[in-house]
Amino acid sequence: EVQLVESGGGLVQPGGSLRLSCAASGFTFSSYWMSWVRQAPGKGLEWVANIKQDGSEKYYVDSVKGRFTISRDNAKNSLYLQMNSLRAEDTAVYYCAIDSWAFDYWGQGTLVTVSS
Amino acid sequence: EIVLTQSPATLSLSPGERATLSCRASQSVSSYLAWYQQKPGQAPRLLIYDASNRATGIPARFSGSGSGTDFTLTISSLEPEDFAVYYCQQRSNWPPTFGPGTKVDIK
Repeated sequence: EVQLVESGGGLVQPGGSLRLSCAASGFTFSSYWMSWVRQAPGKGLEWVANIKQDGSEKYYVDSVKGRFTISRDNAKNSLYLQMNSLRAEDTAVYYCAIDSWAFDYWGQGTLVTVSS
Repeated sequence: EIVLTQSPATLSLSPGERATLSCRASQSVSSYLAWYQQKPGQAPRLLIYDASNRATGIPARFSGSGSGTDFTLTISSLEPEDFAVYYCQQRSNWPPTFGPGTKVDIK
């Protein structure tokens, strides 16, 4: 059974940093692109970033370029999102997802709240 | 960036009725369109990919059609568990984008 479990969310002040993690199991993690997708409270879905199987290619939505960094550790079956210079508009539930035919499987999400 | 528009915003139907949801793209996305279902407090679930292919474990009452700029998700006979928000998403052009969603609620 595919499982994706996010962690690392919480309350952070504007300008602060947070590192999200996603633990993967039930599939061959190293064979898939992976993505982070976020959802602001009561709003729709926004793709944030993705990363190739070996980490050699990474892409970001314009609004987070230069502030967020996606990475992965295939030995640990884990995906990460380092978020710096956080803004109020980054407040959202952050989901990790397998990026294959579409966003095939999603974790349950972790809430990031940016507020003073 | 490709903009996806979904209609209607809300669809009020009764169990057993047929639901027809629309997604329109601002430019052609070929067949690179997916549909997701999201229930309150849950993560989205993939229903349809590449416009018309059901994802693993998705019941046959869900079907997708369309290509280019106009797409449709059809639920042939609504079950109680189908009342949710449905999003379309394109992967034809970077960045991948989502529509604003259609809420299917109980009439």
